Amino acid sequence: QQQVKQSPQSLIVQKGGISIINCAYENTAFDYFPWYQQFPGKGPALLIAIRPDVSEKKEGRFTISFNKSAKQFSLHIMDSQPGDSATYFCAATLPRGTYKYIFGTGTRLKVLA
Amino acid sequence: GAVVSQHPSWVICKSGTSVKIECRSLDFQATTMFWYRQFPKQSLMLMATSNEGSKATYEQGVEKDKFLINHASLTLSTLTVTSAHPEDSSFYICSASSGIGTGELFFGEGSRLTVL
Repeated sequence: QQQVKQSPQSLIVQKGGISIINCAYENTAFDYFPWYQQFPGKGPALLIAIRPDVSEKKEGRFTISFNKSAKQFSLHIMDSQPGDSATYFCAATLPRGTYKYIFGTGTRLKVLA
Repeated sequence: GAVVSQHPSWVICKSGTSVKIECRSLDFQATTMFWYRQFPKQSLMLMATSNEGSKATYEQGVEKDKFLINHASLTLSTLTVTSAHPEDSSFYICSASSGIGTGELFFGEGSRLTVL
């Protein structure tokens, strides 16, 4: 119940294309769903996050789509750029006060120039 | 955004020695800090949760005598890998929470430990 399943494991997209990464969870008590971007040898950096009371959140080229009934959420990267090549992790956490994140397994994205 | 600094960013040590990694919240007080371990091309594995002034809570399977965590102040947590062995070589990452607001965690840049 504590797992967050992430797919695909790796993704190759042409420059200008749309990158889509999916995550699914089981625990309905999760209430905060962030996405992190990690470059090799660096710590993760928050990209965008959503709470289950909204179905979509957009920040620049990055959009989270959230389907509460299906217990799924996804990251869409529009107009993907070579600089977006990194590993992306979804995560989920229990109600405020715990901050104990459950991370997905990660998706290695490569955007071809 | 809030900044979490880790030091050192990389360290090489001999087998049997101990290594200390520091995690500092630079512009906020961190009531809770987390330590993770990450193997190449894998996800972050939570090792322990530390709250200022109290003992760390370790995840199942993590040896608390091997990985000593101290959270002595609201801006500093340390991870000491004791009697390090080559299998302890890994990327160690800390994160910190201010305990208020959105639930966002702020991550350090990570520390690469290589044990010879």
